[in-house]
Amino acid sequence: AQKVTQAQTEISVVEKEDVTLDCVYETRDTTYYLFWYKQPPSGELVFLIRRNSFDEQNEISGRYSWNFQKSTSSFNFTITASQVVDSAVYFCALSEAKGGANSKLTFGKGITLSVRP
Amino acid sequence: DGGITQSPKYLFRKEGQNVTLSCEQNLNHDAMYWYRQDPGQGLRLIYYSQIVNDFQKGDIAEGYSVSREKKESFPLTVTSAQKNPTAFYLCASSPAQGGGYTDTQYFGPGTRLTVL
Repeated sequence: AQKVTQAQTEISVVEKEDVTLDCVYETRDTTYYLFWYKQPPSGELVFLIRRNSFDEQNEISGRYSWNFQKSTSSFNFTITASQVVDSAVYFCALSEAKGGANSKLTFGKGITLSVRP
Repeated sequence: DGGITQSPKYLFRKEGQNVTLSCEQNLNHDAMYWYRQDPGQGLRLIYYSQIVNDFQKGDIAEGYSVSREKKESFPLTVTSAQKNPTAFYLCASSPAQGGGYTDTQYFGPGTRLTVL
């Protein structure tokens, strides 16, 4: 069975601080996908990144970066120079590669990030 | 613009009543999904559909029903059998290319259901 653990429930930082959101996953599959979504106060989940299990390269997109380490089953997300607009709930999710809609997502419980001015 | 719409944004219902939540997408996606979110919890899958006229139960299907008569529409009915229906409901869709390839799911704005 798949499992995603986001041990941090709430994080509060001051604007311009860097912050790392942790994600640890469990799966028996050798092929799988990992995702991060952002849920702002409006409620809609916004897709941030997808990474497959064969690609361990770190990725950077502006102030966002992701560190994927299969050895520790972790897919951590770092926001550099945080801004108030980054305040949201962030979800990590895992999917087995079964194809189509059968590739169901398993979500962590989310991390509430508050960025104070 | 392409996207997923859910209506209404807020919904109130009395105990014992069935209620239907709407989800429409114009992304030409084959697969659609319904999730439930409770405070402090991740999303849990209720139902999903790979193609028109086909749908499968997710992890928490009891007390819910769906239909998929059109590719762009996937309404969810919360029945009176659902014991604790107050929650935030999110609809999603994905291209669902199959062949072991996992597509990204894109989400609608959600419907907040409150049972009075």
